Amino acid sequence: EAQVTQNPRYLITVTGKKLTVTCSQNMNHEYMSWYRQDPGLGLRQIYYSMNVEVTDKGDVPEGYKVSRKEKRNFPLILESPSPNQTSLYFCASSFLNYESPLHFGNGTRLTVT
Amino acid sequence: DQQVKQNSPSLSVQEGRISILNCDYTNSMFDYFLWYKKYPAEGPTFLISISSIKDKNEDGRFTVFLNKSAKHLSLHIVPSQPGDSAVYFCAASLNRDDKIIFGKGTRLHILP
Repeated sequence: EAQVTQNPRYLITVTGKKLTVTCSQNMNHEYMSWYRQDPGLGLRQIYYSMNVEVTDKGDVPEGYKVSRKEKRNFPLILESPSPNQTSLYFCASSFLNYESPLHFGNGTRLTVT
Repeated sequence: DQQVKQNSPSLSVQEGRISILNCDYTNSMFDYFLWYKKYPAEGPTFLISISSIKDKNEDGRFTVFLNKSAKHLSLHIVPSQPGDSAVYFCAASLNRDDKIIFGKGTRLHILP
């Protein structure tokens, strides 16, 4: 089954404790991206990647890191999480052609205390 | 500055009637527009899209209209069904290789 898999689905952590949210897709997509969804703010892009070893900042990259060492994986790293990073996170992927829609994972709900 | 605006946070429509969700954008260079639907505890799923060279695209009960001069697009759902209750996100991109910008979403409630 074609899918984008994020782990974990839920995570509660404390300020400053490094964490990684994994994202993997099995559709051979070149494009991958991370979004956060917050009440009243919709989906905001954190980072995206056009292909292996190519990453770019989105609209809200501060406090996050990503890597794209393999085509299928695009982990999101929070080196020192803070409470303002409490949010619902979505990973998405697509082909790099004009009409290819994004496929989203089911989300990771992160709480930083 | 918000480039893609969905000014209605929520909308309630009677089952069987038409649902119209609106979206405005500020960047006239956007050339591709998409609608995504999101249920609770799931990621958004693609619904329908339209290229800027068209003014209408239809897929079953869903039709998207684009008015470039007004920088406005709308999603029509006819007839509305209970399963259509969800959050709908409008999105736009400059070209398919660039990042996609999402609106804040509109929560649609279909009333029995």
